[in-house]
Amino acid sequence: GESVGLHLPTLSVQEGDNSIINCAYSNSASDYFIWYKQESGKGPQFIIDIRSNMDKRQGQRVTVLLNKTVKHLSLQIAATQPGDSAVYFCAENKASGDYKLSFGAGTTVTVRA
Amino acid sequence: EPEVTQTPSHQVTQMGQEVILRCVPISNHLYFYWYRQILGQKVEFLVSFYNNEISEKSEIFDDQFSVERPDGSNFTLKIRSTKLEDSAMYFCASTRQVNTEAFFGQGTRLTVV
Repeated sequence: GESVGLHLPTLSVQEGDNSIINCAYSNSASDYFIWYKQESGKGPQFIIDIRSNMDKRQGQRVTVLLNKTVKHLSLQIAATQPGDSAVYFCAENKASGDYKLSFGAGTTVTVRA
Repeated sequence: EPEVTQTPSHQVTQMGQEVILRCVPISNHLYFYWYRQILGQKVEFLVSFYNNEISEKSEIFDDQFSVERPDGSNFTLKIRSTKLEDSAMYFCASTRQVNTEAFFGQGTRLTVV
């Protein structure tokens, strides 16, 4: 079946290093992708989004890359900080119809001091 | 910064009882959603709501669930007869338009005993 998923459930990164979080999706009709950050006991917090007509989008310290050929999405965090420790979810939605996000299982990022 | 607010933050109820979870979406948003997250699992879509009616719902959203926008600001999720497996975090979200950034509330932790 169609699904959104992340490659690794956990990622440990040294403070100051760059982080790369990966996500594979199988729904070729998906047209809109989002990365969310979730801290313990809180709701998902929007990080960055990208539409299928783009392959790269940059925000503040974050970059999302989309490779539609291999159905792969990644989130890069530059100069990772302790406050970046959280669970990161990728999510997708089809362009048509209603806004129903399908979330992946999440990657837990732990930043080492 | 505008935010989605949810009340209560934690609700404990006995199996078979009715619960109402409340949400105040962002004021100029038009689309409203409920998601749930069972502990340690991914976020799952329940229902979307637009123009005072349900626009899409998942298999989880059965006859025990209902949503309502009783006035111009509140958006509620009602579970008529709670089951143990309804225990989860319930997140409300809203968007200004379809396929735009979804803002999530902090969630209501529902515990059914």
